[in-house]
Amino acid sequence: NAGVTQTPKFQVLKTGQSMTLQCAQDMNHEYMSWYRQDPGMGLRLIHYSVGAGITDQGEVPNGYNVSRSTTEDFPLRLLSAAPSQTSVYFCASSYDLRLGQGGTYEQYFGPGTRLTVT
Amino acid sequence: GQQVMQIPQYQHVQEGEDFTTYCNSSTTLSNIQWYKQRPGGHPVFLIQLVKSGEVKKQKRLTFQFGEAKKNSSLHITATQTTDVGTYFCAGLTGGFKTIFGAGTRLFVKA
Repeated sequence: NAGVTQTPKFQVLKTGQSMTLQCAQDMNHEYMSWYRQDPGMGLRLIHYSVGAGITDQGEVPNGYNVSRSTTEDFPLRLLSAAPSQTSVYFCASSYDLRLGQGGTYEQYFGPGTRLTVT
Repeated sequence: GQQVMQIPQYQHVQEGEDFTTYCNSSTTLSNIQWYKQRPGGHPVFLIQLVKSGEVKKQKRLTFQFGEAKKNSSLHITATQTTDVGTYFCAGLTGGFKTIFGAGTRLFVKA
């Protein structure tokens, strides 16, 4: 299994450009999420999905869109890039967090995408 | 909104010294997880705590979940240089959102 894969690894955008960060997992996980990591601020949840066709907003959703057409893929779209979106972006997947007590719902993280917006 | 506060932000220790990081949530958590991130890497799951007052051990690492399920700690006994990295706590809310603490970066001097 490849686990969670993300592309690209690095990206430089100009202000106003749009792009899509790709995320895929081959573990048949229902739950997928996107985080951004900025120095001193930990990981902040952008959007998440509990299954194909179902998405919801996290802590910092503004400026980002997501969709979940398949279990495997969860792309993150930047609509109009801004310098404030310069960050490292991590995608993660997990078994369905709605399951009852007793399971361990660890999140498996991808290697990250380092995005710079100039 | 809900917050998970983590302290300290940084900790420098001599190899062999102990290390502790603490997390406090503004609300009761369904569970809490701990992750480790090596410099330049991605977060890697360490453990999950679910029950009030739960204590779990992994070799030199001891994890605790508070009685009120609002705080947690990670204690490392006799640190080694391989322990360097940033340790994050992550609390699962009553919904499906995971809220991460800001992390504690551990530096170990040989």
